[in-house]
Amino acid sequence: GAVVSQHPSWVICKSGTSVKIECRSLDFQATTMFWYRQFPKQSLMLMATSNEGSKATYEQGVEKDKFLINHASLTLSTLTVTSAHPEDSSFYICSAWPTTSGISYEQYFGPGTRLTVT
Amino acid sequence: GDSVTQMEGPVTLSEEAFLTINCTYTATGYPSLFWYVQYPGEGLQLLLKATKADDKGSNKGFEATYRKETTSFHLEKGSVQVSDSAVYFCALDGSSNTGKLIFGQGTTLQVKP
Repeated sequence: GAVVSQHPSWVICKSGTSVKIECRSLDFQATTMFWYRQFPKQSLMLMATSNEGSKATYEQGVEKDKFLINHASLTLSTLTVTSAHPEDSSFYICSAWPTTSGISYEQYFGPGTRLTVT
Repeated sequence: GDSVTQMEGPVTLSEEAFLTINCTYTATGYPSLFWYVQYPGEGLQLLLKATKADDKGSNKGFEATYRKETTSFHLEKGSVQVSDSAVYFCALDGSSNTGKLIFGQGTTLQVKP
């Protein structure tokens, strides 16, 4: 089946620094990728939609200057958390929507990245 | 706005027991509905889906029927196995089918031998 990877799987950074998270579709192309955030014992919350070759669209309440998204190729999207603070500590999950999915509606999810800001 | 509500977990069952995980939704229009499963250390995987009222999604012995009159999409399995232990998420994609999923809070299922 289709595989989506995320790197790193776990990262610890100091407050005020930036950290980049990669999301890769390994065996398919994805024009669209999504970034979600999950707090402990809570649901996934959509942060933004990443479209290859264009600017990301952010959900209401998500700071676009803090969470920079770049979708530079059909297999890679990156999320950069800038000037991270402890409240940004969370589990970040991406999903990739295959370009050829048509009406299949199936997205493929990465395993997630746990970010801890100290 | 659109939302999904799942029954609280964790749910603990013995092997071969019947499983029901309740899911109700609020949405304008006609959303598509999904169940995703997350095994430890892995990404969410699509378990089943239904795109219109009265559709029944099924996979690996799991079933769910899109009930518009009760705005529900309950997940059922007649006989669970230890390998079904995982976190289950109900989700919807609004009527414009953008791929933007709204998730329920997830239900942890533990099946004991």
